[in-house]
Amino acid sequence: GAVVSQHPSWVICKSGTSVKIECRSLDFQATTMFWYRQFPKQSLMLMATSNEGSKATYEQGVEKDKFLINHASLTLSTLTVTSAHPEDSSFYICSAGGDRAFYEQYFGPGTRLTVT
Amino acid sequence: AQKVTQAQTEISVVEKEDVTLDCVYETRDTTYYLFWYKQPPSGELVFLIRRNSFDEQNEISGRYSWNFQKSTSSFNFTITASQVVDSAVYFCALLEAGTALIFGKGTTLSVSS
Repeated sequence: GAVVSQHPSWVICKSGTSVKIECRSLDFQATTMFWYRQFPKQSLMLMATSNEGSKATYEQGVEKDKFLINHASLTLSTLTVTSAHPEDSSFYICSAGGDRAFYEQYFGPGTRLTVT
Repeated sequence: AQKVTQAQTEISVVEKEDVTLDCVYETRDTTYYLFWYKQPPSGELVFLIRRNSFDEQNEISGRYSWNFQKSTSSFNFTITASQVVDSAVYFCALLEAGTALIFGKGTTLSVSS
């Protein structure tokens, strides 16, 4: 299967600072990228969907001004958590989809964010 | 609206026991895909299987097998002769065209030696 990387794998930041998480598709062109959030012992919840060159579509309840998503190229999407607070501490996972088939989606390894 | 239900929150078995993880889904689409993922403590999702709505054949891969029944909207997953390394959280997920994967709440499987 295709390879999707995320950077960093884990990050600790102080409350009030911003953190950027990168999601890269290494061997295919990702026309669509999805960002999920997973709190401890819970399932993955979709935060937003982004298509290359377009504004992201956010799920209900996700603050678009707090979670900035940029999908400027077919291999890179970034999620920036602005003014992070302890309640933003979570596991963030991206998945990338190519333009071959909608069912081909590949997950990154995830980024564990801890806000102190 | 689409929905995935994994009624079993936690299952504990002893090594070599067989265990079945249940998954029931809801969708109005005729074309959809069902998935199972394994999430070990590291957090990285491990893809196990993808099945499309038109293929109801059961599948076996080593100790893993899947039973897809459209009549009951179920896609159950059985591990035969479980091992300690099978301990993880298992997610069932549904995908319709033009949407993102919808995950069930997951089933935590603990296999003791």
